[in-house]
Amino acid sequence: DVKVTQSSRYLVKRTGEKVFLECVQDMDHENMFWYRQDPGLGLRLIYFSYDVKMKEKGDIPEGYSVSREKKERFSLILESASTNQTSMYLCASRVLSSSYNEQFFGPGTRLTVL
Amino acid sequence: KNQVEQSPQSLIILEGKNCTLQCNYTVSPFSNLRWYKQDTGRGPVSLTIMTFSENTKSNGRYTATLDADTKQSSLHITASQLSDSASYICVVSAKDSSYKLIFGSGTRLLVRP
Repeated sequence: DVKVTQSSRYLVKRTGEKVFLECVQDMDHENMFWYRQDPGLGLRLIYFSYDVKMKEKGDIPEGYSVSREKKERFSLILESASTNQTSMYLCASRVLSSSYNEQFFGPGTRLTVL
Repeated sequence: KNQVEQSPQSLIILEGKNCTLQCNYTVSPFSNLRWYKQDTGRGPVSLTIMTFSENTKSNGRYTATLDADTKQSSLHITASQLSDSASYICVVSAKDSSYKLIFGSGTRLLVRP
């Protein structure tokens, strides 16, 4: 079974803090994704990574950056957290050859910015 | 614009009853459609996936249907259980995108004893 883990289930930070969300997958998947999920809006893609050290912006990259130094690990960084970044953050991974574009999700991190 | 719309937004049913969730999409060119189940505070887990040529697929008490002509899908849950309480998300993949998924906003189902 594919396992995608995220470093924290719940996180509370203050406005202006630098926040790191980490995601690790154990299936040697090339592609990894960061989404945020807000009520009534569905999942929205923040960033994705084709492979190590490769990244591309998704639909809502403003206020976020990412890092992928190792294949199994994909980090989402909030340089200066703001209250409108309070959300559920979901990481996903996918094998490059997936013909069905099947993405496997982690359990999520619920971030609250005060 | 590629969109996925789900209805109803929320639904309450009694344990043991059946229910049907709806998904309409405007994604083109269509590749596949997937239903995910998301328990509260958890990540989504895939229930079924259907391609253009498939019109029904079952996974235990869950049966998904797809009408590619009308661009509609439904998820039918039979003999509901308390553990079915969750959000159900319809997700469509387009052929011209290697990675992008288009997500519906989900239907929140509550099964009451």
